[in-house]
Amino acid sequence: QSVLTQPPSASGAPGQRVTISCSGSTSNIGSNTVNWYQQLPGTAPKFLIYNNNERPSGVPDRFSGSKSGTSASLAISGLRSADEAIYYCAAWDASLNGVVFGGGTKLTVL
Amino acid sequence: QVQLVESGGGVVQPGRSLRLSCTVSGFTFSSYAIHWVRQAPGKGLEWVAVIWYDGSNKYYRDSVKGRFTISRDNSKNTVYLQMNSLRAEDTALYYCARDYKTLDYWGQGTLVTVSS
Repeated sequence: QSVLTQPPSASGAPGQRVTISCSGSTSNIGSNTVNWYQQLPGTAPKFLIYNNNERPSGVPDRFSGSKSGTSASLAISGLRSADEAIYYCAAWDASLNGVVFGGGTKLTVL
Repeated sequence: QVQLVESGGGVVQPGRSLRLSCTVSGFTFSSYAIHWVRQAPGKGLEWVAVIWYDGSNKYYRDSVKGRFTISRDNSKNTVYLQMNSLRAEDTALYYCARDYKTLDYWGQGTLVTVSS
């Protein structure tokens, strides 16, 4: 059971927009920033979004993040087959004194 | 370029010990905290431990407290994870990752299998 809750799967057709949710509590998302990671099959995770909604250089603006209260979301627009991956949200948890991850959402591009 | 390379994984019997290493290059190692994150086969990411840039603070997930110890040698650009009293549920691919606003660089992982 992950501390942060994500839907196990999401899907969309090429070109469409999909949103992945991440629900937490006051000790993690409610009081700290949210980061998102993308894990392509057989590879190490790669960071996608940091500080709730900032993109590192090289990440296309098709990817965007947002946060409200104790929830966050990742939106991917203009879906491409290359976006098929597992997406994880994460945040520091002040009660646990550690990083907590969501269970991951497997994105399928139909 | 920034690189993190894990080593030390292998097959070990329950109750035995293993020490993982994470050797980095391409950045000023002594300025960054380093995390260990693991991923059991077919499962999600699970944070294990973190050590502050100067070693002054260390935090662990509850299930490894008292069994795992994280340390670093800034002269060798290396972080260690000493794992004692290993259990079957510790079986996973162990990644180390640099902390800069997020876990911004990850290694490729080293596989630990705990089995009799």
